Amino acid sequence: QKEVEQNSGPLSVPEGAIASLNCTYSDRGSQSFFWYRQYSGKSPELIMSIYSNGDKEDGRFTAQLNKASQYVSLLIRDSQPSDSATYLCAVLGFKAAGNKLTFGGGTRVLVKP
Amino acid sequence: DAGVIQSPRHEVTEMGQEVTLRCKPISGHNSLFWYRQTMMRGLELLIYFNNNVPIDDSGMPEDRFSAKMPNASFSTLKIQPSEPRDSAVYFCASSWTSAVELFFGEGSRLTVL
Repeated sequence: QKEVEQNSGPLSVPEGAIASLNCTYSDRGSQSFFWYRQYSGKSPELIMSIYSNGDKEDGRFTAQLNKASQYVSLLIRDSQPSDSATYLCAVLGFKAAGNKLTFGGGTRVLVKP
Repeated sequence: DAGVIQSPRHEVTEMGQEVTLRCKPISGHNSLFWYRQTMMRGLELLIYFNNNVPIDDSGMPEDRFSAKMPNASFSTLKIQPSEPRDSAVYFCASSWTSAVELFFGEGSRLTVL
């Protein structure tokens, strides 16, 4: 089982609709969770972080965390063509050797005008 | 402010040659990370440093890979000898600590023929 799993997509969404992305993780002791966006040929950039169960909203983005079920999700409301990118879920695990941020394989999102 | 600076942006080399990738982290950041990204394996952590000290190198593929951080403003990732399977985009990232947002460089795209 991979440490962080995501559906690779592509997730095709009409402009203006809601895009829903999911991520599951295996380390039950993980405490910090992040969503990065990566445009084709570019480097990842942080768009959301979440640390406690529940929802966290930032503009058109909402992150949801359920530690009991070990999943994190990202909702993108009013999707725009500029949201077309790969979204990477990242989970921070605390190991004896030090903190380690593990990325999922990413979900590619295509927003069609 | 300057972001994370990586060089070279592109490197094409032949199998067996030595490759050195360079990274300058954001000034003031005390954690530095080297990641490798491929289509098949996604974004993998190779090694990370905290205050110039290697903390976790469990992701380094094999002895052909080595990384150094001689001071707070410079790090290198060396592959010797290089092999075609090392072809990937290598990202350097830095952060205030290992538990918060990572800022990625633009990456070094390595092609080993």
